[in-house]
Amino acid sequence: KAGVTQTPRYLIKTRGQQVTLSCSPISGHRSVSWYQQTPGQGLQFLFEYFSETQRNKGNFPGRFSGRQFSNSRSEMNVSTLELGDSALYLCASSLGRGADTQYFGPGTRLTVL
Amino acid sequence: GIQVEQSPPDLILQEGANSTLRCNFSDSVNNLQWFHQNPWGQLINLFYIPSGTKQNGRLSATTVATERYSLLYISSSQTTDSGVYFCAVAPGTASKLTFGTGTRLQVTL
Repeated sequence: KAGVTQTPRYLIKTRGQQVTLSCSPISGHRSVSWYQQTPGQGLQFLFEYFSETQRNKGNFPGRFSGRQFSNSRSEMNVSTLELGDSALYLCASSLGRGADTQYFGPGTRLTVL
Repeated sequence: GIQVEQSPPDLILQEGANSTLRCNFSDSVNNLQWFHQNPWGQLINLFYIPSGTKQNGRLSATTVATERYSLLYISSSQTTDSGVYFCAVAPGTASKLTFGTGTRLQVTL
């Protein structure tokens, strides 16, 4: 089975722009979660989508949003980028039954200038 | 929310040495995973271990759920073991993982 894929792998944007990141989960997995990793805050949960619905949400401002499509692929969007949004964004897929093993993609490294 | 503490924060070993990494968590969990983050940032699954003991080659893990801690053992370490090791937990049926701050391991020749 192919693993979790994320595109693009690297991205450079300027303040005020918006960005869309994509995640394709492992075939058969219905849950996609997004995490942000920064040197200062570590790994933090953004949100989880299951069957095209947001099931859990972390403590991030409304500039961070996401969606999931019927094929379980997910996108996350960050609007009005700030310097502090520079981070590694990781997505994880799982079957979605709850306490499942989560498998992570390679991440998208976003730099905001 | 649930708190996760990992120790030690940093560890330097010579190749061939053994090590034990610890993860303490503040509440009962139904999901506990150990990950190795490689230099390119990818989180590699090592174990899904909310309770009990598992082994995979030179690595093994034990979680004592009643005492709220988990241990990751690395035996005969190799330079390729270098990187950051994370413990992550989730309570109940939640999918949201809370990560510890990690243990940075450096294995030298």
